[in-house]
Amino acid sequence: GQNIDQPTEMTATEGAIVQINCTYQTSGFNGLFWYQQHAGEAPTFLSYNVLDGLEEKGRFSSFLSRSKGYSYLLLKELQMKDSASYLCAVLDSNYQLIWGAGTKLIIKP
Amino acid sequence: NAGVTQTPKFRVLKTGQSMTLLCAQDMNHEYMYWYRQDPGMGLRLIHYSVGEGTTAKGEVPDGYNVSRLKKQNFLLGLESAAPSQTSVYFCASSLTSGGAETQYFGPGTRLLVL
Repeated sequence: GQNIDQPTEMTATEGAIVQINCTYQTSGFNGLFWYQQHAGEAPTFLSYNVLDGLEEKGRFSSFLSRSKGYSYLLLKELQMKDSASYLCAVLDSNYQLIWGAGTKLIIKP
Repeated sequence: NAGVTQTPKFRVLKTGQSMTLLCAQDMNHEYMYWYRQDPGMGLRLIHYSVGEGTTAKGEVPDGYNVSRLKKQNFLLGLESAAPSQTSVYFCASSLTSGGAETQYFGPGTRLLVL
């Protein structure tokens, strides 16, 4: 079967750095996405990785290792508005997105 | 440019009742999707469409039907609602499928089936 694992919940302090991990086992791989979802709202796109390595976009970076089936999302200089769920999703061999359950990130002052 | 909109935002149904959820997008996207999101689980694909007049089953299609008569609209129908269909339903669209194609989501419809 297809499986994506992420921690259920993480807590971090405002101004700090947090790394959210995602491991996956899917039938094929055509890229990995990270989405942000604030409570009661729609998911919004954060990043896309298809090749190994780090993609940086402002305070957010995403890393991929295809051989390990592993990705992480790195958030720097945390702000209160970063409190949200972060969803990892893999595009499988049929070009369908397989979603993890999401990681709820709680930011404390 | 409204993006992706969904109607209604919230609905309460009794078991056995029927309803239709409407999704509309104004980005001229070819692909549209219906997902459900339940606590502790990832988004699950119900049905999707790769263009006007075409639909296909996703991971959890049972109990749902869809239609895409116009490119901008994607309807999700529940013919006989069951409590197991209590969920948050999200519609999404993308220009195409594959690669770095981002899916854009609507605000969601919260459905409670009693």
